[in-house]
Amino acid sequence: EDQVTQSPEALRLQEGESSSLNCSYTVSGLRGLFWYRQDPGKGPEFLFTLYSAGEEKEKERLKATLTKKESFLHITAPKPEDSATYLCAVQARAGNMLTFGGGTRLMVKP
Amino acid sequence: NAGVMQNPRHLVRRRGQEARLRCSPMKGHSHVYWYRQLPEEGLKFMVYLQKENIIDESGMPKERFSAEFPKEGPSILRIQQVVRGDSAAYFCASSSGGDRGYTFGSGTRLTVV
Repeated sequence: EDQVTQSPEALRLQEGESSSLNCSYTVSGLRGLFWYRQDPGKGPEFLFTLYSAGEEKEKERLKATLTKKESFLHITAPKPEDSATYLCAVQARAGNMLTFGGGTRLMVKP
Repeated sequence: NAGVMQNPRHLVRRRGQEARLRCSPMKGHSHVYWYRQLPEEGLKFMVYLQKENIIDESGMPKERFSAEFPKEGPSILRIQQVVRGDSAAYFCASSSGGDRGYTFGSGTRLTVV
């Protein structure tokens, strides 16, 4: 069974204080690993897809990396508007669905 | 999120009533997925549909829940005889297939009283 574990569950940062969110996964043949951002009362918003170990993608202050067992979402010099829940999900080669982790709730204080 | 339309945004039902949740996928997307997010829990897959076909319903409860995606019109998630434990946010996502990220709607928040 595919599993995704995200840590920490919650993270408080000061504005400008860089950090990383972790996503550990087990999957029977990875098709893709996805990162989403979810604001309260809204649906997940797509950020990145990573397909193979060693791959990296960047978008503004966010950078996602992938190894064979985990993915990191690095946040550089975060701003209060980066406050949200960040979700990691995997899709197996043989499956159609995404298996989500529990998310990391990020709070950035000004 | 504006591309995938879900309605209603909020739905209140009494125990024993039926709930119907609607989802119109993004233009050009023929794959629809339903996920449920229980309070303080992660998103859980329920069902995957293409037009007029259920492809994977491995995440659907065996009783009271059904889904359809007719040739014309939105996808419908139907919950019969709702119970308090059905209270959750239900999200629909669509894709054009393949490896691309899904686009999620804003969800329907079902409250059973």
